[in-house]
Amino acid sequence: GNSVTQMEGPVTLSEEAFLTINCTYTATGYPSLFWYVQYPGEGLQLLLKATKADDKGSNKGFEATYRKETTSFHLEKGSVQVSDSAVYFCALRDNTNAGKSTFGDGTTLTVKP
Amino acid sequence: GAGVSQSPSNKVTEKGKDVELRCDPISGHTALYWYRQSLGQGLEFLIYFQGNSAPDKSGLPSDRFSAERTGGSVSTLTIQRTQQEDSAVYLCASSLSGTVGEQYFGPGTRLTVT
Repeated sequence: GNSVTQMEGPVTLSEEAFLTINCTYTATGYPSLFWYVQYPGEGLQLLLKATKADDKGSNKGFEATYRKETTSFHLEKGSVQVSDSAVYFCALRDNTNAGKSTFGDGTTLTVKP
Repeated sequence: GAGVSQSPSNKVTEKGKDVELRCDPISGHTALYWYRQSLGQGLEFLIYFQGNSAPDKSGLPSDRFSAERTGGSVSTLTIQRTQQEDSAVYLCASSLSGTVGEQYFGPGTRLTVT
């Protein structure tokens, strides 16, 4: 079956530090890949997505590249801000399997001023 | 336009009671999904609707859990004889179809079973 493994947290960084959150996946078919963010007290929001190999998703300074050869979709940001403190979820959506999403366990990021 | 809405936002119930959780998807979205998020964990798939049909119920953890969708819109997740391990945030998502388009999530219902 499908699975997503993401870097365990929590991750604590200072403002303006470089962020990487690793995500690898196992899937049948040709999944789309997503990063969702959940800010404190809020619901899940789509952060970025990539639908095919070598696509790069980007939003709000975050980016991730769909690497089929390494089955990875690592999230990066060059300079984090305090407002980026949240839980980040990597997910895949297998469009051959009713389109349901499989999520990683989430990585909690805390950015300190 | 309006996003996915869920009600109630919080529900506290006693062990053994039945609860109903409601989801209003985005208008025009034919696919609807229920997930469960337990404390400190990722999202666990429960059930998927395409229209009013549920072709995939594989994630429902026991026969105490059931869900229905009417009019291709509102969905209700029912948990009978609740147990403490049912305590979690229940999230609903909708998408344009079952294979196309991203999923949009509601704010969730936090269920606490005492």
